Amino acid sequence: AQSVTQPDIHITVSEGASLELRCNYSYGATPYLFWYVQSPGQGLQLLLKYFSGDTLVQGIKGFEAEFKRSQSSFNLRKPSVHWSDAAEYFCAVGARTSYDKVIFGPGTSLSVIP
Amino acid sequence: DAGVTQSPTHLIKTRGQQVTLRCSPKSGHDTVSWYQQALGQGPQFIFQYYEEEERQRGNFPDRFSGHQFPNYSSELNVNALLLGDSALYLCASSLGQSVPQHFGDGTRLSIL
Repeated sequence: AQSVTQPDIHITVSEGASLELRCNYSYGATPYLFWYVQSPGQGLQLLLKYFSGDTLVQGIKGFEAEFKRSQSSFNLRKPSVHWSDAAEYFCAVGARTSYDKVIFGPGTSLSVIP
Repeated sequence: DAGVTQSPTHLIKTRGQQVTLRCSPKSGHDTVSWYQQALGQGPQFIFQYYEEEERQRGNFPDRFSGHQFPNYSSELNVNALLLGDSALYLCASSLGQSVPQHFGDGTRLSIL
């Protein structure tokens, strides 16, 4: 069955500290992988995506993620968190073919302490 | 460059009523997908429209239906509303059923 797990429901970090949000997936085919961010009351904004090639991908707002096929993981990282990064983060997986739905994880809520 | 726009922003209905939500895709996009996001959860795929036809469907009952118009805009209809239908409904658009999708800010539906 296709699924996405985000083991951490909520994470709190201090401003300036590093951040890693975990994502594991189960998918029958080679997947496309995404990280989205959602601020309160708003829609989803794409942070970064992995389709193929270099397994370390750079995104917007200083985020990066690393695809590890052997671990079925796609963890999101940021070296120094800003207070404005406080939001809900969703990992998602989709098929390489264009005809399959995108599956989202349950999300990780990030709080930032000034 | 207009992004994905959804209307209305908020909506309050009572059990048993019917509701229609609307979505205009990002300029240049021809595919619209709808998601339901319950409070504290990730978005759940409802269905996708491309070339005015429903192409894929998630695990949602027939009370959920949709339509896509020639200008690529789309409607989501929900009949016989239940309390459990209270959620944020997100519309996402893309070109040619591709990913990634671009999301609107959603319609917050509350059922009393």
